[in-house]
Amino acid sequence: DQQVKQNSPSLSVQEGRISILNCDYTNSMFDYFLWYKKYPAEGPTFLISISSIKDKNEDGRFTVFLNKSAKHLSLHIVPSQPGDSAVYFCAASAALGAGGTSYGKLTFGQGTILTVHP
Amino acid sequence: EPEVTQTPSHQVTQMGQEVILRCVPISNHLYFYWYRQILGQKVEFLVSFYNNEISEKSEIFDDQFSVERPDGSNFTLKIRSTKLEDSAMYFCASGSGTAIYGYTFGSGTRLTVV
Repeated sequence: DQQVKQNSPSLSVQEGRISILNCDYTNSMFDYFLWYKKYPAEGPTFLISISSIKDKNEDGRFTVFLNKSAKHLSLHIVPSQPGDSAVYFCAASAALGAGGTSYGKLTFGQGTILTVHP
Repeated sequence: EPEVTQTPSHQVTQMGQEVILRCVPISNHLYFYWYRQILGQKVEFLVSFYNNEISEKSEIFDDQFSVERPDGSNFTLKIRSTKLEDSAMYFCASGSGTAIYGYTFGSGTRLTVV
């Protein structure tokens, strides 16, 4: 199942700089996209989401951009901090039916390990 | 901040034995999920549960798996006869509505089948 792909296994960034994490998807039925952060021995923590009817959503240092025509989304973290070092997962959800509301499953990417150096 | 609580944090079991993984979702959430992550692989959806019934399940969730919400607070995943390949981190999650609000995950139960 390769519907959601994160092609970069890792990313290394200097503190204070921008981190850009990328994600591609193939299923045009996805209507919500989410980013999760995961530390070792913890569950994924929800960061930010975006609906397919928008192209940008911002929350503090985190901004998610969605390019539907390219089936691509990205997470920008500005400025990056050492505490941001974690695995970042992109996930997507599809509406359960025509006109339905998405209460359904999340399809995850493989994750990208972000390391922010002091 | 409300949390999803999972117990135990680590379970070791013999192949063929039954295991029950327990979760206490956030109290006002209505949608409940189990996911798993085999070491080095993606987080994979197993099952979703709403209104006391399964709303969706994956191919992984075969007859060996079952879920229950026995008392209105706990949410359990049972594996009837464990196999070596069931070894994974199992995450419980809960949500209040659509995916746009995100789902809250627990810290997981590491299941090791020997």
